[in-house]
Amino acid sequence: DTEVTQTPKHLVMGMTNKKSLKCEQHMGHRAMYWYKQKAKKPPELMFVYSYEKLSINESVPSRFSPECPNSSLLNLHLHALQPEDSALYLCASSQGWQGATQYFGPGTRLLVL
Amino acid sequence: ELKVEQNPLFLSMQEGKNYTIYCNYSTTSDRLYWYRQDPGKSLESLFVLLSNGAVKQEGRLMASLDTKARLSTLHITAAVHDLSATYFCAVVDAGGTSYGKLTFGQGTILTVHP
Repeated sequence: DTEVTQTPKHLVMGMTNKKSLKCEQHMGHRAMYWYKQKAKKPPELMFVYSYEKLSINESVPSRFSPECPNSSLLNLHLHALQPEDSALYLCASSQGWQGATQYFGPGTRLLVL
Repeated sequence: ELKVEQNPLFLSMQEGKNYTIYCNYSTTSDRLYWYRQDPGKSLESLFVLLSNGAVKQEGRLMASLDTKARLSTLHITAAVHDLSATYFCAVVDAGGTSYGKLTFGQGTILTVHP
C-alpha cells in the first residue's frame, strides 16, 4: 500500500479564518513533507519532518504552522492567510533515509478569499 | 544551490512518434526521480535512478541517468494520448544538511494528439 491520504480535498477560507489540513500514511514511513504548488509550477518544499521532528523549514511564513502528532499523521495549521496562499498543498512521505522515494497524497486545493 | 532544468518545457507530439525530455542538474547527486502529474491531480512516481548509467523502462517510457554529465533523459516511444501530462524530474541534494529536500525541474507539459 503506497497511499498517502489528505483531507479535505478542497478548502475555501477567508483571511481571518483558522483551518487545518491533514495528512495520513500507514506505510511506516518516518519522513513526511508539506509542499505548495501553484498552477503550472513545480512543487515547492515547505516543511520536512523526520522521525516526528521538524528537520527543514524552508523559511515559510508563520501563518503556516506544521504539526506531527505521531509517525502516521501530519497537520498543517493555517491562520490569517493571504489570497496569494491559494494553491494546491501536497503532503508526501518516504522511508526515513536520505533520498528515499517520496510518495505524494492527492493534495488539498486551497482558495483564500 | 542545486538547480534543475528541464527542456523542453512544452512538447506537442503526434501519436506514434518518439521524443526525449532532458533534465540537467547543477551539483552532485546520486538520486534522480521522474514524476508524472495529470491536470488537477497529485504526483505519481515513475522512476528512481540510483547510479551512473542506470536505465529504467516502463511501457513506452524509458529513463536514464548520466551522473558525470549531470543529465537524465526520459524517452517516449510511440506516443499515445494517455501519456499527455506534465512530467517533472527531481533531484535530491547530496549535501547532508538538506535531508529529504527534492529540487524539481520546471516540468514538461506533454500533449499527444492524433
